[in-house]
Amino acid sequence: QVQLQESGPGLMKPSETLSLTCTVSAGSVSSPNYYWTWIRQRPGKGLEWIGYFYHSGYTDYNPSLKSRVTISVDTSKNQFSLTLSSVTAADTAIYYCARDSGGSYPSFDYWGQGTLVTVSS
Amino acid sequence: SYVLTQSPSVSVAPGKTAKITCGGNNIGGKTVHWYQQKPGQAPVLVISYDRVRPSGIPERFSGSSSGNTATLAISRVEAGDEADYYCQVWVSGTDHPVVFGGGTKLTVL
Repeated sequence: QVQLQESGPGLMKPSETLSLTCTVSAGSVSSPNYYWTWIRQRPGKGLEWIGYFYHSGYTDYNPSLKSRVTISVDTSKNQFSLTLSSVTAADTAIYYCARDSGGSYPSFDYWGQGTLVTVSS
Repeated sequence: SYVLTQSPSVSVAPGKTAKITCGGNNIGGKTVHWYQQKPGQAPVLVISYDRVRPSGIPERFSGSSSGNTATLAISRVEAGDEADYYCQVWVSGTDHPVVFGGGTKLTVL
């Protein structure tokens, strides 16, 4: 059973760069054909797809965040990461890492518990 | 970009059937997944590929999809089913391939 655990700063100031890490257990970020994904949820709002890292280095990002976001994988640590630059209060959210079930048009079967990031001056 | 529309709230009495809908252009031609999210918890997959129940999900949960509407049905609703429910699809050939509905709050009366 794959397990995911987010870690990150918790509190940030506007204009800073957010860096979050998702540590993967009982699975490998080197496994092909999975979408290593970040999803966020603003307070009282719904789920928002941020982006994913697919095998062979392919990434895809939400167009509304694309200019500020990077998702990468560290195979040596079995982690994948999210970097979001120039944060504002609108980036205050719970950030989830997730992995899909594999296959075509897959579901997100595995989720981390989520980490709250608050952006405030 | 592709939009999934969910009613903000649905209320149902215990023991009755709740139906939560997800509207989208020709959603019947896509693969729909449903997630349950209880307060303070991460989402949990309850239906995948329109109608497949993951291991551990009660048979009371079922899904269907046709035309412009996908439906999550929960029969014999229990108090523990009170949660937010989200539909999700993949949209090929766009710059926004993963789309979630806005979510439906299920209230058990």
